[in-house]
Amino acid sequence: DAMVIQNPRYQVTQFGKPVTLSCSQTLNHNVMYWYQQKSSQAPKLLFHYYDKDFNNEADTPDNFQSRRPNTSFCFLDIRSPGLGDAAMYLCATRGTGNGYTFGSGTRLTVV
Amino acid sequence: AQKVTQAQTEISVVEKEDVTLDCVYETRDTTYYLFWYKQPPSGELVFLIRRNSFDEQNEISGRYSWNFQKSTSSFNFTITASQVVDSAVYFCALSEAEWGGTSYGKLTFGQGTILTVHP
Repeated sequence: DAMVIQNPRYQVTQFGKPVTLSCSQTLNHNVMYWYQQKSSQAPKLLFHYYDKDFNNEADTPDNFQSRRPNTSFCFLDIRSPGLGDAAMYLCATRGTGNGYTFGSGTRLTVV
Repeated sequence: AQKVTQAQTEISVVEKEDVTLDCVYETRDTTYYLFWYKQPPSGELVFLIRRNSFDEQNEISGRYSWNFQKSTSSFNFTITASQVVDSAVYFCALSEAEWGGTSYGKLTFGQGTILTVHP
């Protein structure tokens, strides 16, 4: 089935140690999003891509970066994770039919 | 700027009760989409419904129903005869419908309503 896959499902990283979260899609959607969702809060958009056109939300910390080497893959890099970066990270895609598809998320723990 | 407000932070009901989750939105767009998502404890976002701004017809899907009123900028969600499995966080969300610009239809979420259904 066409879907959005996030790996890993759970990620534990050390304070200050770079970590990469991955997202892949088989939907061939142009737009991909990364959302951060902290405990008991709403998902908050970090970045999105239209094809290779990258858009950074104004309040996304510099510590967060993203790469999209091709249509299928998108990565979220956290250069120096802090305790405040512990969250669920959700990847989503959107096609021209205006439907969004979310991955199952990666729950990041910083120790 | 777009904004979504879910008035209820938490709702607790007993099984078989009906429950309505409120959602009010703000947007300057004339064309937009409204969504409801369910988020169980496992964390994934489960899509429930999408409604575009020019379709004010109410919708029913099994025990779920949605009431869209453009005049009051509301998109409320009712669960009839609630069940324990309905316990989750429910998010209302809004996106613009147009491609282009700089937002590419990003979703703006409300703060969520935690629904607990007791046996």
